[in-house]
Amino acid sequence: DVKVTQSSRYLVKRTGEKVFLECVQDMDHENMFWYRQDPGLGLRLIYFSYDVKMKEKGDIPEGYSVSREKKERFSLILESASTNQTSMYLCASSLLTGGDHGYTFGSGTRLTVV
Amino acid sequence: GQNIDQPTEMTATEGAIVQINCTYQTSGFNGLFWYQQHAGEAPTFLSYNVLDGLEEKGRFSSFLSRSKGYSYLLLKELQMKDSASYLCAVRDRDTDKLIFGTGTRLQVFP
Repeated sequence: DVKVTQSSRYLVKRTGEKVFLECVQDMDHENMFWYRQDPGLGLRLIYFSYDVKMKEKGDIPEGYSVSREKKERFSLILESASTNQTSMYLCASSLLTGGDHGYTFGSGTRLTVV
Repeated sequence: GQNIDQPTEMTATEGAIVQINCTYQTSGFNGLFWYQQHAGEAPTFLSYNVLDGLEEKGRFSSFLSRSKGYSYLLLKELQMKDSASYLCAVRDRDTDKLIFGTGTRLQVFP
């Protein structure tokens, strides 16, 4: 089974802090994604990557950046955390050609910015 | 443009059958997925449809009509543990990305 591991389940950070959310997958998937999930808004794509050192903006990239130095690891960075970035963050991975399972998700990181 | 609609909430009784509908409009279609998400947990894969018709997997079935831009997830013999959110997602043919609906929160009562 594909495993997608997010480093923290819960995080509390202060406004203005730089925050790193880490995601690692162990099945050699090419694609990796970062979403945030908020009540009533569903899953919104922040950034994605189809390959090492490659990144593409999703629908809501403002205030975020990403890093993919190795194929298995995709990091989401909040340059200066703000209270409106309090959310559940979900990492996902998939094969390059999609496949019939779509995405495999990590357990999520619930981030609270105070 | 891309748009996916599904009801926000549904309720049902243990042992009953429930159907969760999903309608979509996309510029290019390459498959529809259903995911289950329990509160505070990650979405997990339930089903995949790329051709018209019904896919059955135990108590869960999923139907697709591409011409109507319509899918449903059918849950039979409901159990309390089926209380969760159910996400409909469409894969875009051009970008290969999944576009998610906002999810349907299902509550199963005894």
